Amino acid sequence: SQQGEEDPQALSIQEGENATMNCSYKTSINNLQWYRQNSGRGLVHLILIRSNEREKHSGRLRVTLDTSKKSSSLLITASRAADTASYFCATRQEAGSYQLTFGKGTKLSVIP
Amino acid sequence: DVKVTQSSRYLVKRTGEKVFLECVQDMDHENMFWYRQDPGLGLRLIYFSYDVKMKEKGDIPEGYSVSREKKERFSLILESASTNQTSMYLCASRDNRGNYGYTFGSGTRLTVV
Repeated sequence: SQQGEEDPQALSIQEGENATMNCSYKTSINNLQWYRQNSGRGLVHLILIRSNEREKHSGRLRVTLDTSKKSSSLLITASRAADTASYFCATRQEAGSYQLTFGKGTKLSVIP
Repeated sequence: DVKVTQSSRYLVKRTGEKVFLECVQDMDHENMFWYRQDPGLGLRLIYFSYDVKMKEKGDIPEGYSVSREKKERFSLILESASTNQTSMYLCASRDNRGNYGYTFGSGTRLTVV
């Protein structure tokens, strides 16, 4: 069953601009993760934010989490053509749960 | 560099064939997962294994089975392949000892004709 829903479904920006993608989910979570997928390849883990955290940074990535609104955002600053990919949020519900539930993704195109 | 390796990038099989998709990880991870990915449907969990010889059904297990005889290897079996099992299959593993993300393989694109 789908837990996370990304918004927008597709995003096209110029190189150098910032890209913001949003994720909403339905039930309480233990953590939320963001992944990137280049066309036709596997997913790559980008960043994990725990339910008791509000913001996390990794290089040009900034993730926020608002558990009261059940939403998260991923910001990519100073985008590059190489950032062109699909981005997925995934949620882990309970601390003892093994499963991640993925959204359908945002397709980001960065135009050189 | 840690890795999850899927045995084939592309596979074409005939309807009714028994199909084995193999996944091997070299990170000593306890948990392993099989997803399928279809346009408009995202990633859906087929089966997972939290340890050797243990398996649990995911959201869409019908038509599939799995085997985990050794910690590093998790096999997905299509008992009798059908055209609606044409998809991208993704294997992943995870370290159970902390709050870490999944490591994915490169995927196997299976076409059933």
